[in-house]
Amino acid sequence: EAGVAQSPRYKIIEKRQSVAFWCNPISGHATLYWYQQILGQGPKLLIQFQNNGVVDDSQLPKDRFSAERLKGVDSTLKIQPAKLEDSAVYLCASSFSGGETTEAFFGQGTRLTVV
Amino acid sequence: QQQVKQSPQSLIVQKGGISIINCAYENTAFDYFPWYQQFPGKGPALLIAIRPDVSEKKEGRFTISFNKSAKQFSLHIMDSQPGDSATYFCAASNEGSGADKLIFGTGTRLQVFP
Repeated sequence: EAGVAQSPRYKIIEKRQSVAFWCNPISGHATLYWYQQILGQGPKLLIQFQNNGVVDDSQLPKDRFSAERLKGVDSTLKIQPAKLEDSAVYLCASSFSGGETTEAFFGQGTRLTVV
Repeated sequence: QQQVKQSPQSLIVQKGGISIINCAYENTAFDYFPWYQQFPGKGPALLIAIRPDVSEKKEGRFTISFNKSAKQFSLHIMDSQPGDSATYFCAASNEGSGADKLIFGTGTRLQVFP
């Protein structure tokens, strides 16, 4: 079974620039999550999709962050404009709804450095 | 109330020893408590999980102990091996709410020396 795919793996941008991350979840997984992991901290949920609808985006800084999941499969997360404090690893995860557990499977993440 | 507090921040154990990591939560609506293992440059991966209807779950060398009244749970790694060296995160979620986001602890960096 292929895992959660994310790209790019690394990105370095200057502050005030924009950046986009892409995620392809595990096939058949209806739920997709974007987490932000700042160095030395646990992942923090930014947004959760169920198919192509948003379930929870309460911690997404909507003035600069946006995310979409067209057709209920792939997803993109965008930051515009980026700030220094956005430097972090952005993790995408997916889970299968309806199983015994809602185990979240994580991708390797995109490491963003804002200079 | 959404926080999950984890300790210690770092842990050094000799090969063959027991590693113990503790977590505490406030929200009594949480009904799913997983532990994730993360190696450098990789995403977190599920290690073991427990629900509040049992007090202990064991899978190989890994055991979760759960104390519902104290709102605490812990991970025990028996016979710790150098390959266990990683960062461990406890987490909690309310699967019954429909918005089953994971709330993660701050992580414990485990180093196992030969």
